Amino acid sequence: GQNIDQPTEMTATEGAIVQINCTYQTSGFNGLFWYQQHAGEAPTFLSYNVLDGLEEKGRFSSFLSRSKGYSYLLLKELQMKDSASYLCAGMDSNYQLIWGAGTKLIIKP
Amino acid sequence: GAVVSQHPSRVICKSGTSVKIECRSLDFQATTMFWYRQFPKQSLMLMATSNEGSKATYEQGVEKDKFLINHASLTLSTLTVTSAHPEDSSFYICSARDIQSEWTQYFGPGTRLLVL
Repeated sequence: GQNIDQPTEMTATEGAIVQINCTYQTSGFNGLFWYQQHAGEAPTFLSYNVLDGLEEKGRFSSFLSRSKGYSYLLLKELQMKDSASYLCAGMDSNYQLIWGAGTKLIIKP
Repeated sequence: GAVVSQHPSRVICKSGTSVKIECRSLDFQATTMFWYRQFPKQSLMLMATSNEGSKATYEQGVEKDKFLINHASLTLSTLTVTSAHPEDSSFYICSARDIQSEWTQYFGPGTRLLVL
């Protein structure tokens, strides 16, 4: 079956670094996505990885290891506005997104 | 960047009435649109995949006669919740796949439905 696993909740301190892990199993693989979702809003796209390695985009970086079925989202210099849910999604061979349950990130001052 | 709109953004209706939600891709063409439902503190649940000019494909457990989907053009898909009940109250989000890129999906802002 297809499955996406990520932690339910994480807490971090403003200004610090946090890594949100995601493991995936999909029928075929066409990439791994990370989305940010603030309460009451639709998800917004953060990153897309289809090849192994690290993709850096400002304060956010995303890593993929296809052999391990593993990805992480790294957030640096955390700000209070980064408090949100972070959704990991794998794209299967039909280009359909398989969603994780999301990781609620709580930022404390 | 690509923009997807949804209308209405919020709707309150009485039990038993039908509600139509529109999803439009504003600056790109989308042969495929997806309809999601999200209950509080839960992840997105794919309801159906809508392909322009053909019948929608519904996920297991989603009643196709209750959630009518029409994808009449490359920029518009509609979801109609028929005979809505309080348990249908949820956040409905659409996404549209750019015709030029299989992996690119853009999300609409969502529609919050409250059935009284």
